[in-house]
Amino acid sequence: GAVVSQHPSRVICKSGTSVKIECRSLDFQATTMFWYRQFPKQSLMLMATSNEGSKATYEQGVEKDKFLINHASLTLSTLTVTSAHPEDSSFYICSAGDRDYEQYFGPGTRLTVT
Amino acid sequence: EDKVVQSPLSLVVHEGDTVTLNCSYEVTNFRSLLWYKQEKKAPTFLFMLTSSGIEKKSGRLSSILDKKELFSILNITATQTGDSAVYLCAVILSNSGYALNFGKGTSLLVTP
Repeated sequence: GAVVSQHPSRVICKSGTSVKIECRSLDFQATTMFWYRQFPKQSLMLMATSNEGSKATYEQGVEKDKFLINHASLTLSTLTVTSAHPEDSSFYICSAGDRDYEQYFGPGTRLTVT
Repeated sequence: EDKVVQSPLSLVVHEGDTVTLNCSYEVTNFRSLLWYKQEKKAPTFLFMLTSSGIEKKSGRLSSILDKKELFSILNITATQTGDSAVYLCAVILSNSGYALNFGKGTSLLVTP
């Protein structure tokens, strides 16, 4: 199956700093990628849809100025958590689909804000 | 509001048992329903169901969709400890591209 990578896999940052998470589709091109967030013992919640060459579409309740998404190429989308706070600590997962709506998830990034 | 509801939320069984996990949905513009298995990290794909009544099977796992009653089941036969995971059901809407609407998941623990 298709491969999606994420970097870093784990990051700890101080409150008030910004963190960038990269999502890459390694063996296919993805015009659309998705960013999800998962809090402990909860399901994945869609944050935003990342569209190559255009602005991301954010879900209700997700601040676009706090979670900056850039989809500069067909294989790379980045999520930047700006001015991170402890409540932003979560598991962030990206996904991309290559055909037939089958989505492939990245391995996820565990963000801890101290 | 679109809803995806999974039951039970958690389940403990003995190795060798058969389990049935449920996923019901109330959404507009239904396109497909997907099942994922999540262990420590990101979910891994199990099945995608688009048509009613057609069983999909992979080894000891199988799944079927009922678009009239708006639910799907995931069956696991002869369970093994390696089946312990959270099983996630997600729905794709026809007007949302590939975006997935997830249920809360069923946490399955298979004991030796």
